[in-house]
Amino acid sequence: AQSVTQLDSQVPVFEEAPVELRCNYSSSVSVYLFWYVQYPNQGLQLLLKYLSGSTLVKGINGFEAEFNKSQTSFHLRKPSVHISDTAEYFCAVSDRGSTLGRLYFGRGTQLTVWP
Amino acid sequence: ETGVTQTPRHLVMGMTNKKSLKCEQHLGHNAMYWYKQSAKKPLELMFVYSLEERVENNSVPSRFSPECPNSSHLFLHLHTLQPEDSALYLCASSQDLDRFSSYNSPLHFGNGTRLTVT
Repeated sequence: AQSVTQLDSQVPVFEEAPVELRCNYSSSVSVYLFWYVQYPNQGLQLLLKYLSGSTLVKGINGFEAEFNKSQTSFHLRKPSVHISDTAEYFCAVSDRGSTLGRLYFGRGTQLTVWP
Repeated sequence: ETGVTQTPRHLVMGMTNKKSLKCEQHLGHNAMYWYKQSAKKPLELMFVYSLEERVENNSVPSRFSPECPNSSHLFLHLHTLQPEDSALYLCASSQDLDRFSSYNSPLHFGNGTRLTVT
């Protein structure tokens, strides 16, 4: 079974500062990787995904993530955050051989952006 | 508008009540899911339906009963719940090429039903 570790449960930053949200996974097979964002009182929304190809993937709202196979990591970054980025962020992974979009989620990282 | 609509948004029920959660997707997807989101815990996959057939049930207690009458609608029937079942219940859908495909299309989530069991 997969496991996903989000190392920080809360990340407070000031507006316009850079941010990195960390994600590590455990898997013995090739994987697909995702980051989702959840705003208050809403469901999860896909930020970006890594399926294959370039290890640096760009998503919506200026976020990007880099897949590092040797370190089994998929950290999320943004060079300059806005107050509107305040939300909870979830890293998720699925096996390439699995069916039906089975995803394993981390516990989430609450990003709080202060003015 | 997320393309996946869940009703009701909030539900308070006693332990002896029977209620149902409803999910409808307008995306033309062929797979639907129920997830449970509890505070400080990872999202838990409860049920998966593909082409209206249940293909996964992650050892969920029988007091939760899913129903998928067609590819656009998904229900979660609730009966004799416990206080620890209080959580946000999220519905999601995806477009899977086929049941044995190695391609995982992203999930599209609804806004959830906040359930409180008293």
